[in-house]
Formats: sequence, C-alpha cells, structure tokens
Amino acid sequence: AAGVIQSPRHLIKEKRETATLKCYPIPRHDTVYWYQQGPGQDPQFLISFYEKMQSDKGSIPDRFSAQQFSDYHSELNMSSLELGDSALYFCASSFQGGVTEAFFGQGTRLTVV
Amino acid sequence: AQTVTQSQPEMSVQEAETVTLSCTYDTSESDYYLFWYKQPPSRQMILVIRQEAYKQQNATENRFSVNFQKAAKSFSLKISDSQLGDAAMYFCAYRTWAQGGSEKLVFGKGTKLTVNP
Repeated sequence: AAGVIQSPRHLIKEKRETATLKCYPIPRHDTVYWYQQGPGQDPQFLISFYEKMQSDKGSIPDRFSAQQFSDYHSELNMSSLELGDSALYFCASSFQGGVTEAFFGQGTRLTVV
Repeated sequence: AQTVTQSQPEMSVQEAETVTLSCTYDTSESDYYLFWYKQPPSRQMILVIRQEAYKQQNATENRFSVNFQKAAKSFSLKISDSQLGDAAMYFCAYRTWAQGGSEKLVFGKGTKLTVNP
C-alpha cells in the first residue's frame, strides 16, 4: 500500500539558508500535518492543512511557512535557518471521513551547520 | 489545552515476558482518540494501536492491548510475549474528535523500551 512520501530524506544547510521540505500524502487523504522532532524529544506539532486550507497552527516560527497544493502535496518552507532548526521533520496524513489515525512519512532529517 | 503524560522515561523487559507502559492525559472533551506510536531506531513513527473514547471495550492488536480507563484518564499499553523487535521509543498520543479543525496529535514525552534477550 502507498505510504506518505517525504523528500528529501536528508538535508544539510548552512545557517541563514533556506530549505524546502516536501510531503506527498497517501492518495485520497485530505489532511496533512507537519511535526518537528528534536534529538531525544517528542514530536511537536507545527501546522496542518485540511482540504488545502490551513486548519491549525502550532509552535511554528514565523520564519517557516507551509502550504498544501491542488494535488494535496504539501511543502514546508524554512528560511533564515538556525542551528536549533536541526531536527527530524515528519509529515503525516489522514482522511477525515474514514480511518482516523495519522500515517507518518519517514521524515526529513535537517542538519543546519 | 490537552496534555499527555508518560511517567516512565525508560522501561525494560525480558524477552517473552509482559510489560505495561503508562500514559495519562488531561482533557475536557468527552470524545477523542488515543494512540500508541512506536519509534524504533530508524525513527519511523509506526502506529501500534488506537482507541476511540466512546468505546468501552479495550482495543487489542495481536500482542498489544490497552487498558483504557476514561474516568481516570488513563491509557496504558500492555505488550505480551515481548520480542527483541519491540525495542523502541513508545509515544502515547491524544487527538481531538473534531474534524476540519484542530486534529493535531498531542504526544507524551515517550518511554524508551529495552527488551533483554
């Protein structure tokens, strides 16, 4: 069965650079979530989209923005990167009209140097 | 705001034995979902089991079962016949019932499970 696809899997950026993370949800899933997990931490909710509209916002820095496109894929844009942005970024998707659990992608490991 | 508490940062179990991981949560909602996710060293987040709050029957998935005590706001995970592959970080998570709004997962801090051969 198709899963949530994230790209790239690994990304190394320098401070003050910009990064774009992509997420392709499971087909027919209408909700996408972004989470940030620092080393040894629990995942922290950043932002979510339902039917291409932002549905909720968590502890997402103003330097970050995200959107969901007409084909339901989502992109997380991160600018003016800081060392503290180094983390594993998860995308998850779910379908509100049926199965309720969120399925996670394998994550993008971002390292800021 | 909802909170999830896992009071056991680390647990260990002997292979083939049973272990229970604890989770408590705080919410004012009457309908919601609860989940246990497993995160092995690969750091993939894998759903282990889910429970709908309106269901009184405890969820079971093969060797994994939960003890859901709604009044006590407790949601523990029991792993029977533990296997080496069960070694991982386990996260308890809460999700609101609402749709089209705030469906985010709220995670506990996690419990690191070690399985000894």
